[in-house]
Amino acid sequence: KAGVTQTPRYLIKTRGQQVTLSCSPISGHRSVSWYQQTPGQGLQFLFEYFSETQRNKGNFPGRFSGRQFSNSRSEMNVSTLELGDSALYLCASSSRQDAKNIQYFGAGTRLSVL
Amino acid sequence: GESVGLHLPTLSVQEGDSAVIKCTYSDSASNYFPWYKQELGKRPQLIIDIRSNMDKRQGQRVTVLLNKTVKHLSLQIAATQPGDSAVYFCAENEYGNKLVFGAGTILRVKS
Repeated sequence: KAGVTQTPRYLIKTRGQQVTLSCSPISGHRSVSWYQQTPGQGLQFLFEYFSETQRNKGNFPGRFSGRQFSNSRSEMNVSTLELGDSALYLCASSSRQDAKNIQYFGAGTRLSVL
Repeated sequence: GESVGLHLPTLSVQEGDSAVIKCTYSDSASNYFPWYKQELGKRPQLIIDIRSNMDKRQGQRVTVLLNKTVKHLSLQIAATQPGDSAVYFCAENEYGNKLVFGAGTILRVKS
C-alpha cells in the first residue's frame, strides 16, 4: 500500500498570501488529521476530518481551515499568512477500523513565509 | 528577531547500551499512548504504543511502561544502535484521533 502523500513538499509564500496544502491518506483510511510542527511549539494538533466532517479542532485561529473530499483526500488552507505560520505541516491518516487509532504520517509540507 | 525554541532534553548513550526516555501526560482520561521516532528531516514513525489497560508492552528492542497513578510513561530501547539517534515523542490520545504530543527527547547514540 502506498503511504500518506503530501503535496507540495516545499512552499515559499509572502505575508498576507494564502496557501493550500494537500494530503492523500493510505488507501482505505477515512480519518485525516493535520499537525503543525515548529521548533517553538513542537507538534500541535490542528484538526481531524472523518467522512468529510471535521471531528476535532485544535487551538488555532480561524485562518486555518480544512476540508475532506469523498475519496478521503484532505486539504488545509491558511489565509492571510503570518511569519509565525512558517512550519512543517504534517498530515496523518488512520483507519476507522483500527481500534488503536494508529496514525501514519506523511512526509510533510514545509512552508516558509517571508 | 531571535526565535526561541523548545529546549528538548538530550540523552546521550554509548552504542550497545540501553536508553530510557521518560514522559508525563496530562489527561487521566487518555487511553492510548503511542511513541513516535522522528529522524532529522523525516516523518514521525510509530515505534510502539500502549493502551491504558496495560502496564507494559514489549516490541523488538523497545519496551514501554505506563504508570497511570502518576501519569508517567517510559520508553526503553535496548542494545542501542547509531540508527536509533532521533527525536522521540510520546503522545496521548484524548478523544477521536487527536494526539497531544510531548515536547520530545533527543537521543544520541555514540559509536
